[in-house]
Amino acid sequence: RKEVEQDPGPFNVPEGATVAFNCTYSNSASQSFFWYRQDCRKEPKLLMSVYSSGNEDGRFTAQLNRASQYISLLIRDSKLSDSATYLCAVNYQGGGYQKVTFGTGTKLQVIP
Amino acid sequence: NAGVTQTPKFRVLKTGQSMTLLCAQDMNHEYMYWYRQDPGMGLRLIHYSVGEGTTAKGEVPDGYNVSRLKKQNFLLGLESAAPSQTSVYFCASSRRKGTTSYNEQFFGPGTRLTVL
Repeated sequence: RKEVEQDPGPFNVPEGATVAFNCTYSNSASQSFFWYRQDCRKEPKLLMSVYSSGNEDGRFTAQLNRASQYISLLIRDSKLSDSATYLCAVNYQGGGYQKVTFGTGTKLQVIP
Repeated sequence: NAGVTQTPKFRVLKTGQSMTLLCAQDMNHEYMYWYRQDPGMGLRLIHYSVGEGTTAKGEVPDGYNVSRLKKQNFLLGLESAAPSQTSVYFCASSRRKGTTSYNEQFFGPGTRLTVL
C-alpha cells in the first residue's frame, strides 16, 4: 500500500459545480497535512493546511478524518481557474526526523 | 524577495555526463529538499538538509549527491547521468522545526532534465 494515495482523476466538472477529493494515508502517526495546487509545468504551491477541526478558506474546505486516515478537499462554485492538479501531503515527525510524503495528485478540469 | 530559485531551468545531457543543479532561497529557511517528479509517480524525495553542513538521504538517493555549504544554497549533483534520471527536479525549503508553519514547503520553479 502506498503511504499516501489519491485518485488521479481527471475530474471534469462544469463551472459552478462542487467537487471533492480524498487522500488516504497509511501512517497513523502522521501529524500534519496539506493540500498543494500544481498548475501544468509549474511548481506545487501550498493551497491550505488541514487542521484537526477542519478549516475553510473562501470556496475551499479541508477536512481531516484521523479514524479513517484520510483528508479531503472540497471546492465550491468551481472556477475555470481552479483547473489544476491537487496534491495532498502528509508529514510525519519523530526522533529528529521529518518526512513529508506527497500523493501523486488529482487532476481537476473545470469546463465552461 | 525571490523565494526559491533554481538553475538551470532546462538541460539536456548525454549518458555519463555530470552536472550540478543549484537551488537558492532567500527566506532564511533551515530545511531544504530536492525532489524529482515523474508522471504517475508524484514527488519523490531525493535528499534533504536540516541545516548548513548537514544532508540526509531521502526516498530515491541513488545516483545523486548533495551539498549544503551555505544555508541559502543546496546543490544536487549527478556524477554520471543515466536516462532513468530524466525528470523534473524541484527544490523546496521550509522553516526550522518549532517555528510556526515549519513544515509548509516552498518550491522552486523546477529544472527539466533530459538524459539521452
